[in-house]
Amino acid sequence: NAGVTQTPKFQVLKTGQSMTLQCAQDMNHNSMYWYRQDPGMGLRLIYYSASEGTTDKGEVPNGYNVSRLNKREFSLRLESAAPSQTSVYFCASSFWDRAGLTNEKLFFGSGTQLSVL
Amino acid sequence: DAKTTQPNSMESNEEEPVHLPCNHSTISGTDYIHWYRQLPSQGPEYVIHGLTSNVNNRMASLAIAEDRKSSTLILHRATLRDAAVYYCMLHSAMEYGNKLVFGAGTILRVKS
Repeated sequence: NAGVTQTPKFQVLKTGQSMTLQCAQDMNHNSMYWYRQDPGMGLRLIYYSASEGTTDKGEVPNGYNVSRLNKREFSLRLESAAPSQTSVYFCASSFWDRAGLTNEKLFFGSGTQLSVL
Repeated sequence: DAKTTQPNSMESNEEEPVHLPCNHSTISGTDYIHWYRQLPSQGPEYVIHGLTSNVNNRMASLAIAEDRKSSTLILHRATLRDAAVYYCMLHSAMEYGNKLVFGAGTILRVKS
């Protein structure tokens, strides 16, 4: 199983450029998440998608947009990159079943290291 | 969002037990307590989770207070490979959307 796959692994952008970070999971999870982690800091939630067709803002959504393309894929877009967005970006997924009151663990991708010059 | 608080850092000797505490005084009855860890230069990985009863798996044990307002992750014999940042998080089974927010975590240093 591939689990959660993120592309690219590394990216360097110039200020003002745009790009999309891709994330795909093959575990049939309904919930997907984007986090950023600045050097020496903890994880901060950018956006999340509880199920296909829904997205919601997390702690630090400004400067980002997301698309839940289908159940497998959740992309993160930087429309006009800024040096403050230099960070490692992690995508994660999990299965959440309100009817069964189960909430399974998060699986993380290996991250995308983004530098904005 | 229910919050968690953890000590900034802890230190342990190799092959000794480690008890990592987490306070979650605003926990609701349907919140699961999850623990993750992040090794250097890697993404976080799941360690263990529980609801009310203590839990054991091959990686660790989770002890949950009777009032559920705190929990403790127990590594029975710390190794150098256990040096990581450990995060305690609450996963709601009832809250639509599940806005899963990490706290600052505890940096665990293991001395040989």
